[in-house]
Amino acid sequence: AQTVTQSQPEMSVQEAETVTLSCTYDTSESDYYLFWYKQPPSRQMILVIRQEAYKQQNATENRFSVNFQKAAKSFSLKISDSQLGDAAMYFCAYRSANNYTGANSKLTFGKGITLSVRP
Amino acid sequence: NAGVMQNPRHLVRRRGQEARLRCSPMKGHSHVYWYRQLPEEGLKFMVYLQKENIIDESGMPKERFSAEFPKEGPSILRIQQVVRGDSAAYFCASSRDYSSYGYTFGSGTRLTVV
Repeated sequence: AQTVTQSQPEMSVQEAETVTLSCTYDTSESDYYLFWYKQPPSRQMILVIRQEAYKQQNATENRFSVNFQKAAKSFSLKISDSQLGDAAMYFCAYRSANNYTGANSKLTFGKGITLSVRP
Repeated sequence: NAGVMQNPRHLVRRRGQEARLRCSPMKGHSHVYWYRQLPEEGLKFMVYLQKENIIDESGMPKERFSAEFPKEGPSILRIQQVVRGDSAAYFCASSRDYSSYGYTFGSGTRLTVV
């Protein structure tokens, strides 16, 4: 079974600064997807960024980028130019790509990290 | 284009009552996933359904919990004889098909058992 670990329960960053959120995972599969989701106080789960394991290039979405280290099974999220609206819980998640029947299409989440942004 | 709609947003039940949580997927989506989020925890997979079929229920508790996704109407997560430990946020997500890795989540239903 796959596991996702987010060992930092909380982090804080100064507005306009850069912060990196850590995530490690364990799997025996070679093909999979990794995600970062944001959960603000409204509870809505918002997809921030995703990475396909077969791609060596790190995904980037505006101020958000990842550092994907497949051999180390590490998937960290970097938020540049932090804004007050970035304050939320952030969850790292894993999904198998071996999905010919749909039975492996579920997401496995880490426990999350609470990010606060200081003005 | 409405997103995934869950209702009610908040639900309070007394111990022993039944809870029914509803999820209407996005238009064009026929695959629904239910997740549970306990306090200070990440989301845990419960069940994956397509129209009229349960595909994966490996995360569902063996007793008191059931889910359905009928041909017409929303998906329903039903919890019978609720206990305090069922208090959590329950999220629904939908996708177009099982190969899509872009889920859309609803805002969740917070169930409180008193």
